[in-house]
Amino acid sequence: DTGVSQDPRHKITKRGQNVTFRCDPISEHNRLYWYRQTLGQGPEFLTYFQNEAQLEKSRLLSDRFSAERPKGSFSTLEIQRTEQGDSAMYLCASSPLDQQYFGPGTRLTVT
Amino acid sequence: ELKVEQNPLFLSMQEGKNYTIYCNYSTTSDRLYWYRQDPGKSLESLFVLLSNGAVKQEGRLMASLDTKARLSTLHITAAVHDLSATYFCAARNTDKLIFGTGTRLQVFP
Repeated sequence: DTGVSQDPRHKITKRGQNVTFRCDPISEHNRLYWYRQTLGQGPEFLTYFQNEAQLEKSRLLSDRFSAERPKGSFSTLEIQRTEQGDSAMYLCASSPLDQQYFGPGTRLTVT
Repeated sequence: ELKVEQNPLFLSMQEGKNYTIYCNYSTTSDRLYWYRQDPGKSLESLFVLLSNGAVKQEGRLMASLDTKARLSTLHITAAVHDLSATYFCAARNTDKLIFGTGTRLQVFP
């Protein structure tokens, strides 16, 4: 296991469509995080899980966004009825305790 | 609400020179992180600073933390072109990271 993986790496979708991203954390990391990064900005926290429990959600996470982590392993982030403002890089990170290790990200473009 | 500010936002420096990036955070935080990001890539962890007075060094980069001043610095010694990237600091709030806006570093010959 070489690190956090994310799929797909790139996604182009039309406004109004639903999209789902997947994140596979480093094995045995019990914490998993989702962040969003727009061009020229630092990543912004969206939500995080400890095992399968979703412990915190940002105000940025509107009701069009939902995240799951069944069985405390991989996680999915779904965006319903996408808007152009959702275009960003979606980053996943996993952590055993202090350090957060980031995946390569999924770049979403909404046209 | 925890906020993190970095300066400068952009830094153009000549190879061989030294410089420091500053990271201020607004409220108490128990962890301070530095990451590097290359264009179009994800974040690479550089340092985690756990306590007041902590200093860590890796190659030409050295990070320090002053929790009383709520200040962390990333010092670059004798810059080389390979260090060109965007550097982010982040402070931990509960279990999530709050990032600064980043410092884009460009090293030229």
